[in-house]
Amino acid sequence: AQTVTQSQPEMSVQEAETVTLSCTYDTSESDYYLFWYKQPPSRQMILVIRQEAYKQQNATENRFSVNFQKAAKSFSLKISDSQLGDAVMYFCAYRRGSGGSNYKLTFGKGTLLTVNP
Amino acid sequence: IAGITQAPTSQILAAGRRMTLRCTQDMRHNAMYWYRQDLGLGLRLIHYSNTAGTTGKGEVPDGYSVSRANTDDFPLTLASAVPSQTSVYFCASRMDREAPQQFFGPGTRLTVL
Repeated sequence: AQTVTQSQPEMSVQEAETVTLSCTYDTSESDYYLFWYKQPPSRQMILVIRQEAYKQQNATENRFSVNFQKAAKSFSLKISDSQLGDAVMYFCAYRRGSGGSNYKLTFGKGTLLTVNP
Repeated sequence: IAGITQAPTSQILAAGRRMTLRCTQDMRHNAMYWYRQDLGLGLRLIHYSNTAGTTGKGEVPDGYSVSRANTDDFPLTLASAVPSQTSVYFCASRMDREAPQQFFGPGTRLTVL
């Protein structure tokens, strides 16, 4: 079974600085997707960024980028120029690419980010 | 509406009562999911449906049932609620079971006393 591990329950960063949230996963699949979601106090799960395993290039969305190391099964999220609004919970998630009965997301336990002014 | 709606937003329920959490999407997505979120455990899949008329069990299905009579609605029923079912419940959908992006509803906070 696939597992996703976020080893940092909490992280903090100074406003305008850069922070990296770590995520590792375990899978025997070669075709899969990885995601970072954020969850503000409103509870809504919001997709931050997505990475397809077959793509070597790291995904980037504005101030958010990932460092995808397929061999190491590592998928870290880098937030540049941190803003106060980035202070929410972040979840790493895995989804197989094909060949299953369902395509559920397997989530890590989350990392709570604090941004200090 | 656009997206996924869930009702109620929150509910306090006595143990032993029956409860149905509602989920409706207007995106004509084929695949739908129910997750529960518990502190320190992330989100876990309860049940899923790849298309109308079909359902399947996820990681933590015990005590829950679902139905998928049409494309838009995917209700989750707790036949006899227990305190361990206190959680935040999220409904989600994607266009089809292989589409990469999954959309989430706003969640229902359920407390079972």
